[in-house]
Amino acid sequence: AQTIHQWPVAEIKAVGSPLSLGCTIKGKSSPNLYWYWQATGGTLQQLFYSITVGQVESVVQLNLSASRPKDDQFILSTEKLLLSHSGFYLCAWRTGGYEQYFGPGTRLTVL
Amino acid sequence: GDSVTQTEGLVTLTEGLPVMLNCTYQTIYSNPFLFWYVHYLNESPRLLLKSSTDNKRTEHQGFHATLHKSSSSFHLQKSSAQLSDSALYYCALTGITGNTRKLIFGLGTTLQVQP
Repeated sequence: AQTIHQWPVAEIKAVGSPLSLGCTIKGKSSPNLYWYWQATGGTLQQLFYSITVGQVESVVQLNLSASRPKDDQFILSTEKLLLSHSGFYLCAWRTGGYEQYFGPGTRLTVL
Repeated sequence: GDSVTQTEGLVTLTEGLPVMLNCTYQTIYSNPFLFWYVHYLNESPRLLLKSSTDNKRTEHQGFHATLHKSSSSFHLQKSSAQLSDSALYYCALTGITGNTRKLIFGLGTTLQVQP
């Protein structure tokens, strides 16, 4: 069975500080991976997706970047956090039937 | 572009009454996949239902929905609400933007079931 892990579980960071969020999936080779963001009270927005190592496509520009350094790993980062980056970040993988399965998420608070 | 419109905001029901959460969509894609995800507090969203077949009812965990391409709808229903159904429900569409296939979520409907 596939399992998806995200780290950290929660972060409290200062405006202007760097950020790195991680996602690892086990039990699935060459997964299609996605990053989503949900602002408080908002809907889920797809940020990035990746279909293979070293390849990332941006869907929404939020002054964030993503990388796929390994087949099972997807990283979301920025060098300078904004207040507007606060929210819930979810990593997901996609089946051939286009269903997406989400990780447990990271709650980010920017102060 | 592709979009999903759901019953907005909060729906409050008494336990035992039927549930109906509306979802309509717009897409240029002739064969979209439609999904319902349920998001319980402090958990991640979980797939509840999916369909890509016109006029075919799909069921799971007491919930059901039928994709009607003629009206671009995929409403979520349940005959009798339970307290444990209280959650945030998202309707989603697999649409295409350029060469990108992505999942587009509606704004979500919070269902609150009261005793």
